[in-house]
Amino acid sequence: GAVVSQHPSWVICKSGTSVKIECRSLDFQATTMFWYRQFPKQSLMLMATSNEGSKATYEQGVEKDKFLINHASLTLSTLTVTSAHPEDSSFYICSVVSGSRGTDTQYFGPGTRLTVL
Amino acid sequence: AQSVAQPEDQVNVAEGNPLTVKCTYSVSGNPYLFWYVQYPNRGLQFLLKYITGDNLVKGSYGFEAEFNKSQTSFHLKKPSALVSDSALYFCAVRRTGGKLIFGQGTELSVKP
Repeated sequence: GAVVSQHPSWVICKSGTSVKIECRSLDFQATTMFWYRQFPKQSLMLMATSNEGSKATYEQGVEKDKFLINHASLTLSTLTVTSAHPEDSSFYICSVVSGSRGTDTQYFGPGTRLTVL
Repeated sequence: AQSVAQPEDQVNVAEGNPLTVKCTYSVSGNPYLFWYVQYPNRGLQFLLKYITGDNLVKGSYGFEAEFNKSQTSFHLKKPSALVSDSALYFCAVRRTGGKLIFGQGTELSVKP
């Protein structure tokens, strides 16, 4: 399967600041990446689909101006949480899609724990 | 609408005993089904998937899952549980655009 990394693994920031999270596909070129958030002991909620070279597609209810996604290369997508607030504290996970269309599998990064004070 | 359900929030098993983590699905057309495992403060690890073919799918770490079309189920199984199998397990179904819809998760606890 694909190997995915995220950086940082955890971050603590003050309310009002912006935080950038990186997602890297280490062993293949990913045209599509997904961003999720997860609350403790809950399921994953898809936030957006990140497509290389084009604008991200956001799920209903996700503020695109607050969660900025940039997929500038085939191996890197970034999620920037702008003007973070305590309610943005969560576990953010990215994934890449590997395989033929229709049988593709998502492989996930290790996640980034964001705590906003 | 496509959905998956994991009816058990928690499953407790003694080490060495067989384990089953249940998943049911609702999709139109042929389902593409997945199982993932999540250890504390980690991302999800892919275990196995069903696309087509044999109803019994074998995956990583000795896990397998049985696709049952008539019961719309895709239960995860392992013949002999290990303490290290204790984790959060997610069933998922693929929808249009490659997106995954996840179940709510089942916490598996394996006691020595």
